[in-house]
Amino acid sequence: KNEVEQSPQNLTAQEGEFITINCSYSVGISALHWLQQHPGGGIVSLFMLSSGKKKHGRLIATINIQEKHSSLHITASHPRDSAVYICAVSNTDKLIFGTGTRLQVFP
Amino acid sequence: ETGVTQSPTHLIKTRGQQVTLRCSSQSGHNTVSWYQQALGQGPQFIFQYYREEENGRGNFPPRFSGLQFPNYSSELNVNALELDDSALYLCASRKDRGTDTQYFGPGTRLTVL
Repeated sequence: KNEVEQSPQNLTAQEGEFITINCSYSVGISALHWLQQHPGGGIVSLFMLSSGKKKHGRLIATINIQEKHSSLHITASHPRDSAVYICAVSNTDKLIFGTGTRLQVFP
Repeated sequence: ETGVTQSPTHLIKTRGQQVTLRCSSQSGHNTVSWYQQALGQGPQFIFQYYREEENGRGNFPPRFSGLQFPNYSSELNVNALELDDSALYLCASRKDRGTDTQYFGPGTRLTVL
């Protein structure tokens, strides 16, 4: 069993839909990260969370430390949101990554 | 402030060869981590360097080695390449090993034939 699990693995949506990606982890963490990876490989950090909720534009990330669970929400999705979204946790000075969720948003 | 850069962007090698990948950390950052991302998978931690010393290692064999230089740039060396080493290699830098925010480079895509 992976230490960081994401669901779903693949997600398709119509433009404008509300999207939720989930992440569960089984190790102790100092922070949880949501990352975005576009084709070609570059990774961009979206959020770093240790508690509660953060919002940036149309993106919202929440974390429940007791349940070891985090969600990434995208409101009013747009084709440019199409990417792989990766959850990662900071554990003993390294990042442990989930396998990612591939999101495709169609016009 | 310059971001994290990696070179080369793409590389093709054959089995048994050796390869060196390079990473320039973001200005002011003294900690560099290397990750291997196989196709369709999440990145896996290879090792981390802090102030020129290896400071943590993942489950990778000794033929994966590294260096960090006084300017905090870093190299990843892989000897005796195997087909399964084909992957995207990412480096990420941090201001200090105690901080959580990591800044990723664009990656080097290695293909082993």
